[in-house]
Amino acid sequence: TQLLEQSPQFLSIQEGENLTVYCNSSSVFSSLQWYRQEPGEGPVLLVTVVTGGEVKKLKRLTFQFGDARKDSSLHITAAQPGDTGLYLCAGGLQGGKLIFGQGTELSVKP
Amino acid sequence: GAGVSQSPSNKVTEKGKDVELRCDPISGHTALYWYRQSLGQGLEFLIYFQGNSAPDKSGLPSDRFSAERTGGSVSTLTIQRTQQEDSAVYLCASSSMGRTQETQYFGPGTRLLVL
Repeated sequence: TQLLEQSPQFLSIQEGENLTVYCNSSSVFSSLQWYRQEPGEGPVLLVTVVTGGEVKKLKRLTFQFGDARKDSSLHITAAQPGDTGLYLCAGGLQGGKLIFGQGTELSVKP
Repeated sequence: GAGVSQSPSNKVTEKGKDVELRCDPISGHTALYWYRQSLGQGLEFLIYFQGNSAPDKSGLPSDRFSAERTGGSVSTLTIQRTQQEDSAVYLCASSSMGRTQETQYFGPGTRLLVL
């Protein structure tokens, strides 16, 4: 059974702080996606990483895929209240099926 | 263009009743996925349709759950004899061709509450 362990589960920080969310597995994935979900809505894709060691930046967000393609991290610099939401990592399997982590509930207080 | 739509947005039912949840994917998308999300948790894969291929039902939690996709477009997820543990948000997603690394576009979900 392929599992993705995401940590921390909850994170409450002040505006301007930095944070990192981790996503780990004992399995190798062909790709790793990060989604953000707001209350009452479906998840929205932030980024897809496919190559071991790959780093992608999206404004203040930096995503990294581990060399062995078993883990990933999301780093947010200078968090803002608008970053508040549920962050989900998802490992890609054959046929496009995704295995999701448990999510990280981020709250950024002004 | 229109995104993925789901109906109803909310459903309250009594234990033992059957419910049907509907998903309208993005036009032209051949792949359609159903997921279940418990409060504040990650998504649990339920079932996957890709074109005319047999669906991947490996995530369905019991034989009370079934889904169909008519005409390669609209999908219906049916839960028979609902139980309280079925209460969750049911999310539908579609993607262009069902390939790994493709973006999945999610609907807003149906919030099911079984009393």
